Amino acid sequence: TQLLEQSPQFLSIQEGENLTVYCNSSSVFSSLQWYRQEPGEGPVLLVTVVTGGEVKKLKRLTFQFGDARKDSSLHITAAQPGDTGLYLCAGPNTGNQFYFGTGTSLTVIP
Amino acid sequence: DAGVTQSPTHLIKTRGQQVTLRCSPISGHKSVSWYQQVLGQGPQFIFQYYEKEERGRGNFPDRFSARQFPNYSSELNVNALLLGDSALYLCASSSIGRGTYEQYFGPGTRLTVT
Repeated sequence: TQLLEQSPQFLSIQEGENLTVYCNSSSVFSSLQWYRQEPGEGPVLLVTVVTGGEVKKLKRLTFQFGDARKDSSLHITAAQPGDTGLYLCAGPNTGNQFYFGTGTSLTVIP
Repeated sequence: DAGVTQSPTHLIKTRGQQVTLRCSPISGHKSVSWYQQVLGQGPQFIFQYYEKEERGRGNFPDRFSARQFPNYSSELNVNALLLGDSALYLCASSSIGRGTYEQYFGPGTRLTVT
């Protein structure tokens, strides 16, 4: 059972455009994590958001945790080809076992 | 420092066979988790081990088993392979402590069942 739904599933944009990826759940999470995965590799942790309403910035990436801690978003400004990859959100249960979202596959065209 | 390592990188097996996948965590990490990632989907949690004990199990059949050794490395075993077991198997290590819980993933083992 997927507790975390991501949208859109696929996204193809031109270099320099902005985009937002969403991660939604009907469950409350103590924290949410965002990962990026490139072909042939394991996911790499980008950020962990913990507090409802929290906003974290990582260069051109802005992450927000919803006030009710049921959803999160990832906004990329001026996307670059190096941003291409599969973006995954993940949230833990009480035992720190993680449920992953369905993923958003991003392609940035030069 | 070396990251999480997994072996083998690729594996081809026939239906009904058994497979063992291996994982070495980051030095100092005592927790290992296993995930299955089917093409086009996010990883699904299979097992979590901490200090050689199973701490959690996902919704997978008993054909899947795992163990953790005294050096904190881990093996995932899958018996009676089915075509649907074809996937990327990911191992993640973490250092359980205060604060947020961060996982570091290995490159995965690509299992193909024919």
